[in-house]
Amino acid sequence: DTGVSQDPRHKITKRGQNVTFRCDPISEHNRLYWYRQTLGQGPEFLTYFQNEAQLEKSRLLSDRFSAERPKGSFSTLEIQRTEQGDSAMYLCASSLTSATGELFFGEGSRLTVL
Amino acid sequence: AQSVSQHNHHVILSEAASLELGCNYSYGGTVNLFWYVQYPGQHLQLLLKYFSGDPLVKGIKGFEAEFIKSKFSFNLRKPSVQWSDTAEYFCAVSTSFSGGYNKLIFGAGTRLAVHP
Repeated sequence: DTGVSQDPRHKITKRGQNVTFRCDPISEHNRLYWYRQTLGQGPEFLTYFQNEAQLEKSRLLSDRFSAERPKGSFSTLEIQRTEQGDSAMYLCASSLTSATGELFFGEGSRLTVL
Repeated sequence: AQSVSQHNHHVILSEAASLELGCNYSYGGTVNLFWYVQYPGQHLQLLLKYFSGDPLVKGIKGFEAEFIKSKFSFNLRKPSVQWSDTAEYFCAVSTSFSGGYNKLIFGAGTRLAVHP
């Protein structure tokens, strides 16, 4: 499968623990995005990478959240000291540098904070 | 701030009924418009997109959408739905304000259930 892959698919953790999600984009895509989706809402933009450079972070992304894309390939999203409000589906998407605007999404990583 | 509104959160139809899902956005400049679909247990997939040209765009599986600039709308239509169209549908917009890097702003989604 050459689509966007995310790992783990589901993570259950206790409040205060740290969690890390990984995203492997489509190999030739140089743009990578993280979104968060809660029940009954559409995906909300969190952050964006062009190759290894993180070019924008949403105000939704508190200091407890950090994302990296060290070699311009896979990316990680870490949440420190998780809170119950962090429970959501974390979506990764990738795209080419072009004007077409199509984002290709992974299946998401569902976080449940107890 | 830019936003996207989807008028119906839940729609229930019988097979062969016609579908129209509303989408309005708030941004006065150039926009790119999208409809994504999420089938149960699957990832978001692009259904169709509008960038320029003919405001009536056709997508996969018989879906189409019409861009009406004066109404800031991009409604999704299908003349005859099938049970397999049961899914959640998201309208999204990217704008020149987004910095030109395809950041999508999504609506809250419409959950469609089609009964046989």
